[in-house]
Amino acid sequence: DAGVTQSPTHLIKTRGQQVTLRCSPKSGHDTVSWYQQALGQGPQFIFQYYEEEERQRGNFPDRFSGHQFPNYSSELNVNALLLGDSALYLCASSLGIRDYSNEQFFGPGTRLTVL
Amino acid sequence: SQQGEEDPQALSIQEGENATMNCSYKTSINNLQWYRQNSGRGLVHLILIRSNEREKHSGRLRVTLDTSKKSSSLLITASRAADTASYFCATEIQGAQKLVFGQGTRLTINP
Repeated sequence: DAGVTQSPTHLIKTRGQQVTLRCSPKSGHDTVSWYQQALGQGPQFIFQYYEEEERQRGNFPDRFSGHQFPNYSSELNVNALLLGDSALYLCASSLGIRDYSNEQFFGPGTRLTVL
Repeated sequence: SQQGEEDPQALSIQEGENATMNCSYKTSINNLQWYRQNSGRGLVHLILIRSNEREKHSGRLRVTLDTSKKSSSLLITASRAADTASYFCATEIQGAQKLVFGQGTRLTINP
């Protein structure tokens, strides 16, 4: 049973560019959440997708957008990249609101560097 | 903003000793979860404790939750070098389908 997978592993972009990160959830999971983790910090919640809709959003600007596909996989898009967007981007999957425990399984992350 | 605060920020102990990390939070929660992270890689889920539970065990891990004090502790017994990592507590806030993480405790186990 494959766990949560993310691609790419590493990415280098320049300021002003746009980036798309991808996530495939754990088999059987229908909810995907995205987190940003700056160096030396804890992960910060960006948003969550369930049934192809954004259900929750953290304090991130509209430059951060996402999408969930019918197979539950998800993309995170960041436009007009800033140096401060350099971070590890983590995807987590879960069973969403039907599962009271809401245990989230994390992928290995995508390391984004903005130059 | 971070809901949870871990204490201490860094902990260094000898192999075989016990390690205790604490977490405090601010609002009512559905559950509290502990994660481990090695060298900036993905998070590994360790244990989940629900708001109506007070203590939970998993192997060498023991987690307690005191909702009246809004705090939790993670105890790792008989530590090993492989336990060297950063440990994060994360709370699932009531009414929200998201996890709010603290800044973590960096644990170093010296051989």
